[in-house]
Amino acid sequence: QAVVTQEPSLTVSPGGTVTLTCGSSTGVVTSGHYPFWFQQKPGQAPRTLISDANNKYSWTPARFSGSLLGGKAALTLSGAQPEDEAEYYCLLFYSDAAVFGGGTQLTVL
Amino acid sequence: EVQLVESGGGLVQPGGSLRLSCAASGFTSSSYYMYWVRQAPGKGLMWVSRIKNDGSTTIYADSVKGRFTISRDNAKNMLYLQMNSLRVEDTAVYYCASVRPGYWGQGTLVTVSS
Repeated sequence: QAVVTQEPSLTVSPGGTVTLTCGSSTGVVTSGHYPFWFQQKPGQAPRTLISDANNKYSWTPARFSGSLLGGKAALTLSGAQPEDEAEYYCLLFYSDAAVFGGGTQLTVL
Repeated sequence: EVQLVESGGGLVQPGGSLRLSCAASGFTSSSYYMYWVRQAPGKGLMWVSRIKNDGSTTIYADSVKGRFTISRDNAKNMLYLQMNSLRVEDTAVYYCASVRPGYWGQGTLVTVSS
């Protein structure tokens, strides 16, 4: 099965902007991989932020946005808040499997 | 209020079996694919299995293929995961999720240990 790669860790200043990426070992990530993004805080279940690369849910803060960028899926956080400190996972869909990335630990500092 | 409530986790010996259940309410779960996702202690999320909305198609991660079986009962709004030949490395919190509408349960812990 494919391997999905994410940055292991990133740091952003409060109020700053950061982009997390999600790549595929099979090549370019496209809308056909239906990229999803999830946020998980310690001791909590994951929370879905983005579907299909760039669609937000009613509960997704406006400062989060998704896109396809440079052959990868991307999650951009603009105007980081302390409560955004968390682990972020992407999920890609393939013909016979779904694969999570290893997660990005985002620190707001 | 949307709820996904998992149950059935616990301690089991290697080689044993366990059946997880997930009760869905507050949305039309029968309209969506349903998923099982697990998270080993201190590790990331791992997709385990997916079932089509009508139950006609199922797929599995390579690591559980042939040992786990996903099923659903749309009349009861229930999702199941039958886990056989359990291994120590199957130890994890198991989440049920309806990925597309964005819903997750709180998870149930499965511990495989002698």
